[in-house]
Amino acid sequence: GDSVTQMEGPVTLSEEAFLTINCTYTATGYPSLFWYVQYPGEGLQLLLKATKADDKGSNKGFEATYRKETTSFHLEKGSVQVSDSAVYFCARGPSNFGNEKLTFGTGTRLTIIP
Amino acid sequence: DAGVTQSPTHLIKTRGQQVTLRCSPISGHKSVSWYQQVLGQGPQFIFQYYEKEERGRGNFPDRFSARQFPNYSSELNVNALLLGDSALYLCASSLGLARETQYFGPGTRLLVL
Repeated sequence: GDSVTQMEGPVTLSEEAFLTINCTYTATGYPSLFWYVQYPGEGLQLLLKATKADDKGSNKGFEATYRKETTSFHLEKGSVQVSDSAVYFCARGPSNFGNEKLTFGTGTRLTIIP
Repeated sequence: DAGVTQSPTHLIKTRGQQVTLRCSPISGHKSVSWYQQVLGQGPQFIFQYYEKEERGRGNFPDRFSARQFPNYSSELNVNALLLGDSALYLCASSLGLARETQYFGPGTRLLVL
């Protein structure tokens, strides 16, 4: 079935460090891929998305490229800030049309220290 | 524009009770999905409704049910609550079925004692 494997946390970085959070997905179909972010006590916010191979999603300095050949969608940011501290979830859309079930990874908790 | 809204924000119930959670989608969105997020894990898909019809169901027992109303709002019902039902319940809305982006509400945090 559909699944997403995400780099386990927690991850702790210093401010202005480079961030990579790895994410791979099962190759069933041609799903859309997403990164969502969850701040403490809140719901999920869409961070970025990509809908087809080689697409690059970007937002707020974060980027991720849809790599079909490696079934990956790694999240990167060149210089993190304290305000980026949150839990990040990688997700894939369904294999087929007809429903919009998202399959999520387990989440990666990111802490940025000043 | 208002985002997805959910009520109540927090809820405490005891085992065996029943609970109803409510969700209002973003204006113009016709699809509503429900997810359960247990502490420390990613959200798990429960249901999707589109145009008042169930379009998808996750691996949850029949104690879980949902419906969507003509105004596209939705309710999630859970009967015979178990301790393991304690979780954050998230509602997401989207325009429709064609690989649309889902936008999440703040969630309802349910604690079963």
